[in-house]
Amino acid sequence: AQSVTQLGSHVSVSEGALVLLRCNYSSSVPPYLFWYVQYPNQGLQLLLKYTSAATLVKGINGFEAEFKKSETSFHLTKPSAHMSDAAEYFCAVSEGGGADGLTFGKGTHLIIQP
Amino acid sequence: GAGVSQSPRYKVAKRGQDVALRCDPISGHVSLFWYQQALGQGPEFLTYFQNEAQLDKSGLPSDRFFAERPEGSVSTLKIQRTQQEDSAVYLCASSLISVNEQFFGPGTRLTVL
Repeated sequence: AQSVTQLGSHVSVSEGALVLLRCNYSSSVPPYLFWYVQYPNQGLQLLLKYTSAATLVKGINGFEAEFKKSETSFHLTKPSAHMSDAAEYFCAVSEGGGADGLTFGKGTHLIIQP
Repeated sequence: GAGVSQSPRYKVAKRGQDVALRCDPISGHVSLFWYQQALGQGPEFLTYFQNEAQLDKSGLPSDRFFAERPEGSVSTLKIQRTQQEDSAVYLCASSLISVNEQFFGPGTRLTVL
């Protein structure tokens, strides 16, 4: 069965600092991996996805993530945090190419300090 | 174009009442998904439709939960005899069958008193 672990329920960084949100997955087949962002009282918005092409994936708002099979990781990074990045971030895995129900991690709340 | 819409946005029910939550997917999207998001948790998969066919309902927590999509467009999630543990945000998502991105609606926040 597939699963996702997000290390750190809360991450706090200063504005302009590097953002690193960790995600490790478990999957019995080559996975599709996703990062979603959720702002208060809103639905989830896709930041980026890994679909077995390039291992370094670039997404919206300056975010990127690197798929590392040997580490079963898909960590999300952004070189310079902005106040508007404050939100809840979810990593998700799919064994069906995304055409099935996603399995989400518990989420990481990103706090940006001025 | 319009995104995924859900109604109502907020629902308060007394324990034991039945509720119905509606999802309008993006026009032309074949696949439709329901998720349950408890407070402080990630979304958990409930059920999945391809057109009107319910292909996976393995995530429905009990037989009090029922979902339908009779014409392959709008979907309704029904919860019978609501319990306090049903309090959560219910998210709907839709996707094109050949594209691996799910588009999410804003959710319905259900509070059972």
